[in-house]
Amino acid sequence: DQQVKQNSPSLSVQEGRISILNCDYTNSMFDYFLWYKKYPAEGPTFLISISSIKDKNEDGRFTVFLNKSAKHLSLHIVPSQPGDSAVYFCAASEIGAARQLTFGSGTQLTVLP
Amino acid sequence: EPEVTQTPSHQVTQMGQEVILRCVPISNHLYFYWYRQILGQKVEFLVSFYNNEISEKSEIFDDQFSVERPDGSNFTLKIRSTKLEDSAMYFCASMFIRGPTEAFFGQGTRLTVV
Repeated sequence: DQQVKQNSPSLSVQEGRISILNCDYTNSMFDYFLWYKKYPAEGPTFLISISSIKDKNEDGRFTVFLNKSAKHLSLHIVPSQPGDSAVYFCAASEIGAARQLTFGSGTQLTVLP
Repeated sequence: EPEVTQTPSHQVTQMGQEVILRCVPISNHLYFYWYRQILGQKVEFLVSFYNNEISEKSEIFDDQFSVERPDGSNFTLKIRSTKLEDSAMYFCASMFIRGPTEAFFGQGTRLTVV
């Protein structure tokens, strides 16, 4: 039951270039999408989010795009920096009492100097 | 900056023993969660807690698990009789309002059942 999928387990990008991480979902009830960054032996750290009523949200070097018809979202990091190297998780929540998050399997981003 | 704190960072226990994982959520947050991540797998939702009761739980959260907010600051996850397959990272998270908004996660407790 993979409601949130990240099909690329890893991505390598040169420093200064754009990193694009992708995420697909199947549950039409999801109305809020988030990206978390995770370093080894640490908890997920919130990065950026987007509501289903928008198609783009930008915060500094990070931009999230949402394509509802394709049930697809992506995270763009420009320019990529070595400190961005981490596992990136896509997550989603739906309207309901608990608003719990459903996570994708993560993408390991490596930014090469 | 306020943060969610979890103790211990690592717990080793024998199969069949009870363990209690502790969390201090961010002080003005109202919604509390436990998630777990088995090595190499996804982060999975276990349970949510609001207004001193469970608001939602997953099928993973069976009778061996329980949660409690014993005082105004702590939030605990108890596993009554641990199994080898309970070995995982357990993350506590809290949210200020029901959302949609982000949840803040603790650094996790690595539970190893031997």
